[in-house]
Amino acid sequence: DAMVIQNPRYQVTQFGKPVTLSCSQTLNHNVMYWYQQKSSQAPKLLFHYYDKDFNNEADTPDNFQSRRPNTSFCFLDIRSPGLGDAAMYLCATSRGALDEQYFGPGTRLTVT
Amino acid sequence: GEDVEQSLFLSVREGDSSVINCTYTDSSSTYLYWYKQEPGAGLQLLTYIFSNMDMKQDQRLTVLLNKKDKHLSLRIADTQTGDSAIYFCAEGGNTGGFKTIFGAGTRLFVKA
Repeated sequence: DAMVIQNPRYQVTQFGKPVTLSCSQTLNHNVMYWYQQKSSQAPKLLFHYYDKDFNNEADTPDNFQSRRPNTSFCFLDIRSPGLGDAAMYLCATSRGALDEQYFGPGTRLTVT
Repeated sequence: GEDVEQSLFLSVREGDSSVINCTYTDSSSTYLYWYKQEPGAGLQLLTYIFSNMDMKQDQRLTVLLNKKDKHLSLRIADTQTGDSAIYFCAEGGNTGGFKTIFGAGTRLFVKA
């Protein structure tokens, strides 16, 4: 089945230790998104790629970076995680800008 | 600015209908979505409605859109315990293009 896959599902990192979360898709969608979702809150868009074009939200901290080496994969790098970065990180894809988004199961990040 | 608001909790008895309400602010939104999130999982697109429609029915789900009041509702007929989850209202396809704005989610409790 075509889908959005996120690995790992659970990630524990230490305060200040860089961490990378990964997302892959078999939908061949042009757009890939990363969202941060904290408990009982709405998902918050961090950035997205349209093909290779990277678009950062204005309020996304510099601590968060992303890479998309090819159509299928997209990575979220957190350079120096703080306690406030503990959250669920959701990857999503869409065919185009105005199309519905398909979400992966998320990676729950814990910062110790 | 863009905002989506929804009540935080709803409790219903099994077999009753559930109605989850949402208000949004961006009148240029092309699509309005309902997503479902079960514990520890990503968001699953349940249904969506184009802004030029006022109703959409899909099996047990009925979406009503009042564009004048910027009010969206999701009715779940014959609610089952498996419907217990968080339901997110979202607007997208607006002048901002890629950005989908989510509400904070309504947690639906279904009592047996």
